[in-house]
Parts: sequence; structure tokens; C-alpha cells
Amino acid sequence: LAKTTQPISMDSYEGQEVNITCSHNNIATNDYITWYQQFPSQGPRFIIQGYKTKVTNEVASLFIPADRKSSTLSLPRVSLSDTAVYYCLVGVLKAAGNKLTFGGGTRVLVKP
Amino acid sequence: DAGVIQSPRHEVTEMGQEVTLRCKPISGHNSLFWYRQTMMRGLELLIYFNNNVPIDDSGMPEDRFSAKMPNASFSTLKIQPSEPRDSAVYFCASSLVGDTEAFFGQGTRLTVV
Repeated sequence: LAKTTQPISMDSYEGQEVNITCSHNNIATNDYITWYQQFPSQGPRFIIQGYKTKVTNEVASLFIPADRKSSTLSLPRVSLSDTAVYYCLVGVLKAAGNKLTFGGGTRVLVKP
Repeated sequence: DAGVIQSPRHEVTEMGQEVTLRCKPISGHNSLFWYRQTMMRGLELLIYFNNNVPIDDSGMPEDRFSAKMPNASFSTLKIQPSEPRDSAVYFCASSLVGDTEAFFGQGTRLTVV
């Protein structure tokens, strides 16, 4: 499994864009990048997944450079309710199953 | 679908007692994961099953912990005997085999006194 490194915490203000970068220098060719969000007192929730370039959905965008050694989760115009811990996971989509291992995550605090 | 259902939501027990946590995965999902979360250790994967078969239990901390999945719609995590350091929130999650989008239950907050 590729090791991931994320900032421990980030502060932001309502209406701003939040960008969280995850480093995964030893990412393998077949690895995908997945991000989860966890609100207090809840289980993690899948946000977005990508392999290369850019992926966008209704919640976030995921930017992956050509070398894939890092990825950036972008949350546009955050609100107070986006305060959560965000986890970056790297692994292979396998027919035999996936060992979904979470690192420490990034604690994002959105202030008024 | 009601999502992943865990029971109980809260459990307080005395040291030495047996504790059983229960999980009902989303219908049709064939991967099931058990996690433990504490402030100190974060979110730890304890064990996961594919098609009711345990695939990796390397995260199970000790022999006091055991997990079963007798059928596709039910799994248990048992701690016997329980210790105060087992106090944590235990999450169950399910997904389709090979998919990285897992759906988590609301968790069971376990307190061992």
C-alpha cells in the first residue's frame, strides 16, 4: 500500500476555497486515489476518486498531476458544515477486494 | 436501503465482560469492514471480509477480539474479556468487492469501565 502524507489540520473561512494536498510518492501504476470525509460522531463518507488529471463532482474536485505523486482535494466555497476530517487513500481497485486503510487525515475547521 | 446498520449505538460494560457488536451491511454488498477509532490511534482497520470470508485480520489487536460473518447480511465483532483500553468507537462498513466506495454505519461507542 502506498504511504500517504497530509497536513494534520487546516483552518479556513466560510466562502473560501479549501485545497488539501496529499503526498503519495510511492504510488503504483494501478493505484487509484480516493478521498473520504468524516463529520464528528459519524463514520467516514466517500467524496471522490480519481486516477489521473481532474475529476469533479457535486461536492469537490480532485486534481492529480501527471506524475501522480500527489493529489489535491479542492472544496469550493466552504461553509461551516464542511468542518470535518478529510482522508486520502491510495490503493488498487481489485476484483479480490480492497484493504481500505485510513491514515491520520486532515482536520479542516471552517470559521464564520 | 437503510444503509449499514450497527447495534448497539452505545455500550457501557465492566472490565472482564464479553461484548458483542453487530452489523448489517447494505444488501448486495459483499465486502465488510470493521474499524476502531480513538483519538490516539485514529481509524484502524481491524478485519475485512469478502463474500463472508475473512481476508485480512492483521489489524485485530489481540486474541480477545474475534469477528464472524455467518451470512451475507450479518457480522459480529466480539471482545472477550473486555478491557478499558478497548474503549473506542467501532465502525462497520460495506462495499462491493473491489470498490473503494465503502459505506459506513453510525458506529458503536464502547466504554469499558
